[in-house]
Amino acid sequence: QLQLQESGPGLVKPSETLSLTCTVSGGSISSSSYYWGWIRQPPGKGLEWIGSIYYSGSTYYNSSLKSRVTISVDTSKNQFSLKLSSVTAADTAVYYCARRAAAESDAFDIWGQGTMVTVSS
Amino acid sequence: QSVLTQPPSASGTPGQRVTISCSGSSSNIGSNTVNWYQQLPGTAPKLLIYSNNQRPSGVPDRFSGSKSGTSASLAISGLQSEDEADYYCATWDDSLNGWVFGGGTKLTVL
Repeated sequence: QLQLQESGPGLVKPSETLSLTCTVSGGSISSSSYYWGWIRQPPGKGLEWIGSIYYSGSTYYNSSLKSRVTISVDTSKNQFSLKLSSVTAADTAVYYCARRAAAESDAFDIWGQGTMVTVSS
Repeated sequence: QSVLTQPPSASGTPGQRVTISCSGSSSNIGSNTVNWYQQLPGTAPKLLIYSNNQRPSGVPDRFSGSKSGTSASLAISGLQSEDEADYYCATWDDSLNGWVFGGGTKLTVL
């Protein structure tokens, strides 16, 4: 079945750029039925949607993060990626990638296990 | 401060029925469908309810969802110890042009 796996550095210095990749296995990222998204969860807090991308490359972002976020897709590798610039301690969180089944549930129906990213010098 | 408002905690004893509320506005719950997620301790969220009241395959029918106006609710009947988790509501917000989540409700099974 479809699985998502996040990867990337677990520690990022303040003011630098956080970079994560989500690898999709067991299915194609190029399916027209799905969008792919990033969601984060600071320690002990709730969920926050960061942004989403379609296989064609069209993106939409959380307005509160838009100036610092870039999400891209590499269909040849079946991956999509997140870059968050100028990070601060407030960006410390578990970062999840997820699939949104736009034509079916219109919900994030499959999630990766999450990866913890700490912003610290 | 989350766009969608949930009570921070809820509790019940095994076998009881509990409900969790999610309050929003005309730009989010009032005009879009609501999804619910269950997050067991130390794990990723799992889709529990979509389109207000639909259960994905494998979700027990003890879980049900409803929506009225700018509010939604998740009901869990026949409460079990394994239901102890955090529950989040979520929907699209037309004003923010983005997905919004509730702050989460921690359910304790006494």
